[in-house]
Amino acid sequence: DIVMTQAPLSVSVTPGESASISCRSSKSLLHSNGITYVYWYLQKPGKSPQLLIYRMSNLASGVPDRFSGSGSETDFTLKISRVEAEDVGIYYCGQLLENPYTFGAGTKLELK
Amino acid sequence: EVQLVESGGGLVKPGSSLKLSCVASGFTFSSYGMHWIRQAPKKGLEWIALIYYDSSNKYYADSVKGRFTISRDNSKNTLYLEMNSLRSEDTAMYYCAKRVVADYWGQGVMVTVSS
Repeated sequence: DIVMTQAPLSVSVTPGESASISCRSSKSLLHSNGITYVYWYLQKPGKSPQLLIYRMSNLASGVPDRFSGSGSETDFTLKISRVEAEDVGIYYCGQLLENPYTFGAGTKLELK
Repeated sequence: EVQLVESGGGLVKPGSSLKLSCVASGFTFSSYGMHWIRQAPKKGLEWIALIYYDSSNKYYADSVKGRFTISRDNSKNTLYLEMNSLRSEDTAMYYCAKRVVADYWGQGVMVTVSS
């Protein structure tokens, strides 16, 4: 199984500042079709997860452009610029390259 | 507006069975694969099953293979998860999610397995 490792497990950010979350996969998530199958989800307190970023760097519908995704074949970063109160929650990276599909342990973002 | 509404959860004893449903609306259900993903209390996300749009392929996590069955009825816009031989470690919130990319999730349904 592909293991997804996130860091840090928690981050505290001053509103208006930026935050970065890292995710590393145990295997390349770059498919031969050129698509990198890493995804980012946010689970706000008491809510279901929501898709933020798909295929490493594409913003999901309705997601503010303060969010961005980048990376290589095995190392990925979610960046949130100008953090707002509504960004609080747990961020998960996930791989949808092959089953079993797997997720990182999550990174809890809170405000200072 | 896309909506996914799960139901069928509850408190059951180890070894029991339960069938979850997920009713979809706001999109062409028959065109998309669907997942079941669960989250144990205070834990992270665990993918457990995927079914293709036409039921031609089904995939399961090892933790549920042979005990859980994913199915769908496109005429009813409904996804199912039949769970047998339930164990305490199956206690979790169960979410259905749309498309392989899981771009929309339901609100979840709680399953508690306890004697």
